[in-house]
Amino acid sequence: GAVVSQHPSRVICKSGTSVKIECRSLDFQATTMFWYRQFPKQSLMLMATSNEGSKATYEQGVEKDKFLINHASLTLSTLTVTSAHPEDSSFYICSASRGGESGNTIYFGEGSWLTVV
Amino acid sequence: DAKTTQPTSMDCAEGRAANLPCNHSTISGNEYVYWYRQIHSQGPQYIIHGLKNNETNEMASLIITEDRKSSTLILPHATLRDTAVYYCIVRVSGYQKVTFGIGTKLQVIP
Repeated sequence: GAVVSQHPSRVICKSGTSVKIECRSLDFQATTMFWYRQFPKQSLMLMATSNEGSKATYEQGVEKDKFLINHASLTLSTLTVTSAHPEDSSFYICSASRGGESGNTIYFGEGSWLTVV
Repeated sequence: DAKTTQPTSMDCAEGRAANLPCNHSTISGNEYVYWYRQIHSQGPQYIIHGLKNNETNEMASLIITEDRKSSTLILPHATLRDTAVYYCIVRVSGYQKVTFGIGTKLQVIP
């Protein structure tokens, strides 16, 4: 079954509005989660590291004021795309790490398709 | 993380074994080899990982060479649902930041 869950799986919003995507770790706590975006036929690109109880760390070239990340609890991180534009349309994916006998394994959410019209 | 090299694409006949190679010649002693796959329009799915011993689970087998500079993911009986992009990643267990390469696009042919 799913280890990391995202919601919504698909969302359409109007230009200029904001949209929130949730990422939840199921049955385990994640002090750190990661957000990726993926354009068609391209690989995943890391956007930011979400840290529980502190500010997110953004990768170079990612606008922190546009992609707001909140990690308010040990099982939930949210990505808010503010003042969305059509070029923000993409596939957004989160990940979290869960410990096990042979180390930590990273699990990914199902992904969220964002279409800005 | 050590860099990995994978073929861009591969074909495999349905029902046959799919062998996906990965080179990681600069792997460090404490880095694991992880395999993920991404089926179209879905998030990456964890398949298997290993350090130096061969590993097998319900999805696949992972063969790591003795010098650990390369590995092979084996899907024993490929089905059409195994068509996906397969990513080989090497990373230290406690390090959570993952960089994805292009991966191998596996096409299972009827």
